[in-house]
Amino acid sequence: KAGVTQTPRYLIKTRGQQVTLSCSPISGHRSVSWYQQTPGQGLQFLFEYFSETQRNKGNFPGRFSGRQFSNSRSEMNVSTLELGDSALYLCASSLEHGQQGNSPLHFGNGTRLTVT
Amino acid sequence: SQKIEQNSEALNIQEGKTATLTCNYTNYSPAYLQWYRQDPGRGPVFLLLIRENEKEKRKERLKVTFDTTLKQSLFHITASQPADSATYLCALVGNYGQNFVFGPGTRLSVLP
Repeated sequence: KAGVTQTPRYLIKTRGQQVTLSCSPISGHRSVSWYQQTPGQGLQFLFEYFSETQRNKGNFPGRFSGRQFSNSRSEMNVSTLELGDSALYLCASSLEHGQQGNSPLHFGNGTRLTVT
Repeated sequence: SQKIEQNSEALNIQEGKTATLTCNYTNYSPAYLQWYRQDPGRGPVFLLLIRENEKEKRKERLKVTFDTTLKQSLFHITASQPADSATYLCALVGNYGQNFVFGPGTRLSVLP
């Protein structure tokens, strides 16, 4: 089975622009969650989607949004980029009923976003 | 607010020794605790999970303990190898679809 695929791998944007990141989960996985990873803050939860519905949301401003399609693929959008949005954005998929502690997260290798 | 701490930021050990990584938490009652390995430029990879009512889990050279009274998990790698060098993250999650909360990670270097 193919793993979680994230595109693009690298992205450079200018402050004020917007960006869309894409994530294709493992086949059969219906839950997709997004995380931001920075050296200072570590891995922080952005949101989780299950069956096209947002089930859970982290403590990020409304500039961060996402959606999930019927084939479970997910996109994350960040509008009005700020320098502090520079980070590695990771997507993870999990089996069955969404994020649960008894089920591991399967991460992609992330999109490295640099805002200049 | 919830807080998770892991060891020191970095840990160096000699090849063949046992590496012990610590995950401490406060203001949280996780139902599960998971450990992940992350290599530079890659996403985290799941290693082991342990439930709140389990004391210990093993998988090959890996062992995890979970003490809910001390609010601590220990992650051991026995007979460590240079290939074990990576950052190790602990993640806590409660019940009923709560999101995962990750620790800051410990960067382990196994020296030949």
